[in-house]
Amino acid sequence: EVQLVESGGGVIQPGGSLRLSCAASGFTVSNSYMSWVRQAPGKGLEWVSVLYSGGGTVYADSVKGRFTISRDNSKNTLNLQMDTLRGDDTAVYYCAREGGLGAAFQNWGQGTLVTVSS
Amino acid sequence: DIVMTQSPDSLAVSLGERATINCKSSQNVLYSSNNKNYLAWYQQKSGQPPKLLISWASTRESGVPDRFSGSGSGTDFTLAISSLQAEDVAVYYCQQYYSTPYTFGQGTKLEIK
Repeated sequence: EVQLVESGGGVIQPGGSLRLSCAASGFTVSNSYMSWVRQAPGKGLEWVSVLYSGGGTVYADSVKGRFTISRDNSKNTLNLQMDTLRGDDTAVYYCAREGGLGAAFQNWGQGTLVTVSS
Repeated sequence: DIVMTQSPDSLAVSLGERATINCKSSQNVLYSSNNKNYLAWYQQKSGQPPKLLISWASTRESGVPDRFSGSGSGTDFTLAISSLQAEDVAVYYCQQYYSTPYTFGQGTKLEIK
């Protein structure tokens, strides 16, 4: 059974940094296309970044240059390093796995809340 | 970027009645080489992560009740629920995965009338 469990969220001051992790089981992260998707309180879904199985990455313009997506193959985890955080980064962050390369998001974690506030 | 626009923003339907949600993309999401529409529908219940209902515009995920159906091609798509059940109360999102940045519709809130 595929499972995704996010961790690392919390309250952080503007300008600060935070690292999110997504522990995967039931499949191999390095063989999958993995994304981070966020949802601000009471708002819709916003895709943040994707890490392809080949190692390529793409970012939303809103986080480009501030966020870095990566994976740890030894731990089968997906990570999101978030720097220079702003108030509009406040959201629940979900990791999601594409159900096949270039497919829809078949599996989602429960999410971790990041609150950027002074 | 491909903009996804859903209509309506909210919808109230009686139990047992049909519910229909529309989604329009600003660009074609049909990939001509494989004739697949890169369009998905998700259901998000309160306090839960999204759940994939339909991919490739019309392929129902395993375990999704057959009262849910997806249709459309190119730029215009529809999610239909043939006979609304109480457990279908949720926000529904369409999403294109044709190209990055992947984009979602703004969501449609479905309630019981």
